[in-house]
Amino acid sequence: QVRLQESGPGLVKPSETLSLICTVSGGSITKYYWSWIRQPLGRGLEWIGYISYTGTTEYNPSLGGRVNISVDTSMSQLSLTLTSATAADTAIYFCAREDHPIPAPTRGFDYWGPGILVTVSS
Amino acid sequence: SADLTQPPSVSVSPGQTATIACSGDDLGDTYALWYQQKPGQSPVLVIYQDTERPAGIPERFSGAMSGNTATLTIRGAQPMDEADYFCQAWIRGIAVFGPGTKVTVL
Repeated sequence: QVRLQESGPGLVKPSETLSLICTVSGGSITKYYWSWIRQPLGRGLEWIGYISYTGTTEYNPSLGGRVNISVDTSMSQLSLTLTSATAADTAIYFCAREDHPIPAPTRGFDYWGPGILVTVSS
Repeated sequence: SADLTQPPSVSVSPGQTATIACSGDDLGDTYALWYQQKPGQSPVLVIYQDTERPAGIPERFSGAMSGNTATLTIRGAQPMDEADYFCQAWIRGIAVFGPGTKVTVL
């Protein structure tokens, strides 16, 4: 059974960098797309970006170039960094696997981590 | 606009049918997906490629697409179906989520 687990600091100071890790177990990290998605408490979902199994990245332009996603296949981990954090970045952060066997259409975000609450506050 | 719209809430009696619409200018050019999220839990994929159900999702969940509107239908709604439902689509290379619909079964 594939499992994803987010980890990292639960509290980040304003203007500092938010850094999270997602550890994947029970399945291969290759041949899938891996996304970070966040959700402010009581609100909707916002896609942050993805990294593909080939290392290709795509980010949500709404985040203004503050995002970087990388993958360490040897550790089966993906990471997220979000620079210049503000209170607006306070949210539950999820990592999620997307089953997208190119060139076939996506089969969606089929596995999600439990999420980690990150609060940006001094 | 890449926005997706959904009604904020839908109420349904147990055993009846709930329908949730998701609309967007670009939705007809791509596939819609639907996720169910219960309080304190991660989202669960219930529909992909407009109409397909992942393994383990009950048959009472179905999806459809017409024009620029995707629809999630829950036939014979059960109390366990009470949750938030989000539509999602890939629009110009970006994953876009709808604002979510709270389904109440009572």
